[in-house]
Amino acid sequence: NAGVMQNPRHLVRRRGQEARLRCSPMKGHSHVYWYRQLPEEGLKFMVYLQKENIIDESGMPKERFSAEFPKEGPSILRIQQVVRGDSAAYFCASSPSGENTGELFFGEGSRLTVL
Amino acid sequence: SQQGEEDPQALSIQEGENATMNCSYKTSINNLQWYRQNSGRGLVHLILIRSNEREKHSGRLRVTLDTSKKSSSLLITASRAADTASYFCATDKLTGYSTLTFGKGTMLLVSP
Repeated sequence: NAGVMQNPRHLVRRRGQEARLRCSPMKGHSHVYWYRQLPEEGLKFMVYLQKENIIDESGMPKERFSAEFPKEGPSILRIQQVVRGDSAAYFCASSPSGENTGELFFGEGSRLTVL
Repeated sequence: SQQGEEDPQALSIQEGENATMNCSYKTSINNLQWYRQNSGRGLVHLILIRSNEREKHSGRLRVTLDTSKKSSSLLITASRAADTASYFCATDKLTGYSTLTFGKGTMLLVSP
């Protein structure tokens, strides 16, 4: 009965390096959402994906950030040339459909620290 | 600006007392959800209330929704130390996608 699986749970990068965060949705879910949470803040929507498609990336920074959800394998959030301001917890959530009729199921998050 | 704004930002009560948290939002919604987050963990869904509902119960939780005032409240009755967590309200867009917008949350501390 695996839930949403995110890895790594903790990631440390130096400025200028790349960070790759992975998310495997719950079994049977084909919709994935990425959120970012800064300390003492709520979650900020980044991107919504279905298999092989980006549906809504209105919350993604225009540069250095990209996301994919390939036909096979987990969804990946990629941050290139990280800066200190990228330090945050990144949460992935999944749902069985994209309709706003129900809850999102969240993973435990990946905590990125940029030195 | 934030779609959902919770108040108070922090709430400290004793076990057995009731805890009430409020959420205000700005635009029309299809539904409003409440989530809980324990420190260092992911979010867990608590309850969903649709725009045509006014009140909903789930165990010790009671949620109200007033669409005319664009506000919601979450009441936890007979609180327990294990209820200590941050509580977030989340609203959807009318686009049809589940891209929820979260508030900054209320941090609840329940002391034994």
